[in-house]
Amino acid sequence: GQNIDQPTEMTATEGAIVQINCTYQTSGFNGLFWYQQHAGEAPTFLSYNVLDGLEEKGRFSSFLSRSKGYSYLLLKELQMKDSASYLCAVKDSNYQLIWGAGTKLIIKP
Amino acid sequence: IAGITQAPTSQILAAGRRMTLRCTQDMRHNAMYWYRQDLGLGLRLIHYSNTAGTTGKGEVPDGYSVSRANTDDFPLTLASAVPSQTSVYFCASSVGQGSGANVLTFGAGSRLTVL
Repeated sequence: GQNIDQPTEMTATEGAIVQINCTYQTSGFNGLFWYQQHAGEAPTFLSYNVLDGLEEKGRFSSFLSRSKGYSYLLLKELQMKDSASYLCAVKDSNYQLIWGAGTKLIIKP
Repeated sequence: IAGITQAPTSQILAAGRRMTLRCTQDMRHNAMYWYRQDLGLGLRLIHYSNTAGTTGKGEVPDGYSVSRANTDDFPLTLASAVPSQTSVYFCASSVGQGSGANVLTFGAGSRLTVL
């Protein structure tokens, strides 16, 4: 079966750095996505990785290792507004997105 | 409107009733999707449409139907609602479907409670 694993919940301190991991087992791979979802709102796109390596976008970076079936989202200089759920999704061989259950990130002052 | 509009925002429904969730986009995106989101589970695809006039089944299609008469609208119908269909429903769209990023744009969601 296809599976995306990410931690259920993480807590970090304002101003710090946090890394949210995602491991996947899918039938084929056509890219990995990270979305942010604030409570009660719609998911919004953060990043897309299709090749191995690090993609940096401001305070957020996303890393991919296809051989290890592994990705992480790195958030730097955490702000209270970063409190949200972070969803990892992989596009499989049929170009369908398989979603993880999401990681709820709690930022404390 | 800009983006995706879903209606209703929230609805309480008696079991056995018929319900249509509406979704309209103004981005001229070819592909549209319906997902349900339940606590502790990832987004699950119900139905999708790669282009107007075509639809396909996702991971959890039973009890749901869709139509895509034009590019902009993609309604989701529950023919006879059951309590297990209590969920938050998200409509989404993307420029295309297939290889490449094809980033999803989501609507604000419709919270449905079936009693």
